[in-house]
Amino acid sequence: AQSVTQPDIHITVSEGASLELRCNYSYGATPYLFWYVQSPGQGLQLLLKYFSGDTLVQGIKGFEAEFKRSQSSFNLRKPSVHWSDAAEYFCAVGLNQAGTALIFGKGTTLSVSS
Amino acid sequence: ETGVTQSPTHLIKTRGQQVTLRCSSQSGHNTVSWYQQALGQGPQFIFQYYREEENGRGNFPPRFSGLQFPNYSSELNVNALELDDSALYLCASSPPGVRTEAFFGQGTRLTVV
Repeated sequence: AQSVTQPDIHITVSEGASLELRCNYSYGATPYLFWYVQSPGQGLQLLLKYFSGDTLVQGIKGFEAEFKRSQSSFNLRKPSVHWSDAAEYFCAVGLNQAGTALIFGKGTTLSVSS
Repeated sequence: ETGVTQSPTHLIKTRGQQVTLRCSSQSGHNTVSWYQQALGQGPQFIFQYYREEENGRGNFPPRFSGLQFPNYSSELNVNALELDDSALYLCASSPPGVRTEAFFGQGTRLTVV
């Protein structure tokens, strides 16, 4: 069965420092992978997506992610974190070939310290 | 362009009651999916509607049901509410085609007492 694991429940990063959020997936075929961000009490905003091709994907707000098939991973990175990046981050894998039905991980809460 | 809108934003129901949540999809989108997000958890896929028919379902009992209308808006109905149904319910719509993405609404916060 498809699943997504986000090993880190909570991460604290200093403002201006780099960030890496981990995501591991289990999926039988080539996965469609996504990273979403959720601010408190809000819906989900798509940061970036991977369907195929270049394994390094650029997203909004300066985020990028790298797909590594050998490690079943899709880690999210940002070179310099801003205080406004504090939020909940979710990695997801698509159940279908359209990316409309998603299996989410449990999320990683990012706190940014000054 | 209007995004995905959900109503109501909050509601409180009593155990055993029935509830209907509504979702207006983004213009041009023909697929709607629903998710349940319990506090401190990731969203869980409930089901998806395409062309007014359910075409994918997660691990939820039949008391969770839905509808999609010709204008692609959607409803989520939950019968015989249980305390564990308390959650944020998220609706997402998607445009036609493959390799697309889901655009989420702000959610409806349901509290069952």
